[in-house]
Amino acid sequence: AQKVTQAQTEISVVEKEDVTLDCVYETRDTTYYLFWYKQPPSGELVFLIRRNSFDEQNEISGRYSWNFQKSTSSFNFTITASQVVDSAVYFCALSEAPIKAAGNKLTFGGGTRVLVKP
Amino acid sequence: DVKVTQSSRYLVKRTGEKVFLECVQDMDHENMFWYRQDPGLGLRLIYFSYDVKMKEKGDIPEGYSVSREKKERFSLILESASTNQTSMYLCASSLFGSGTGAFLGNSPLHFGNGTRLTVT
Repeated sequence: AQKVTQAQTEISVVEKEDVTLDCVYETRDTTYYLFWYKQPPSGELVFLIRRNSFDEQNEISGRYSWNFQKSTSSFNFTITASQVVDSAVYFCALSEAPIKAAGNKLTFGGGTRVLVKP
Repeated sequence: DVKVTQSSRYLVKRTGEKVFLECVQDMDHENMFWYRQDPGLGLRLIYFSYDVKMKEKGDIPEGYSVSREKKERFSLILESASTNQTSMYLCASSLFGSGTGAFLGNSPLHFGNGTRLTVT
């Protein structure tokens, strides 16, 4: 069975500080996808990134960066120079490779609430 | 832009009532999902469907059923609502295929705004 753990339930920072969200996953598959989603106060989850298990390159997108390390089963997310608009709940999720057409069932972590104060 | 629309933002129902939560997507996605979101538990999959009239149980299907008579619509049914079903319900859709080989099918989910259901 697959499992995703986000140990930090809430992080509070002051604007312009960096913040790193931890994500640790468990899976028996060698082929899988990892995702990060953002849920702002409006409630709609917004897709941020997808990474497959064979691609361990770190990725940077603007102020967001992701560090994928298979050796520690972690997929951590860093927001650099945080802004008030980054305040949201962030979810890490795992999807194993589909055996049949259904595919992409996601298993989510518990989420980390980030509060960025001005 | 993909649009996933959930019919109600807030809903209050009484214990024992039959409750219908409706979800419509406008991008011809094959896959549709129902999750519930509870504090500290993240999102948990209730049911999903990868084609019209097809459905599969997720991790917590007990007390729920679903219906997918048309590709764009996926309904979640609470046969007899109970207080422990008070939660935020999120609908999502995705394309069947995005990628190649072993990764086919793992495309990002697009979510609706959610329905906050209170059962009293």
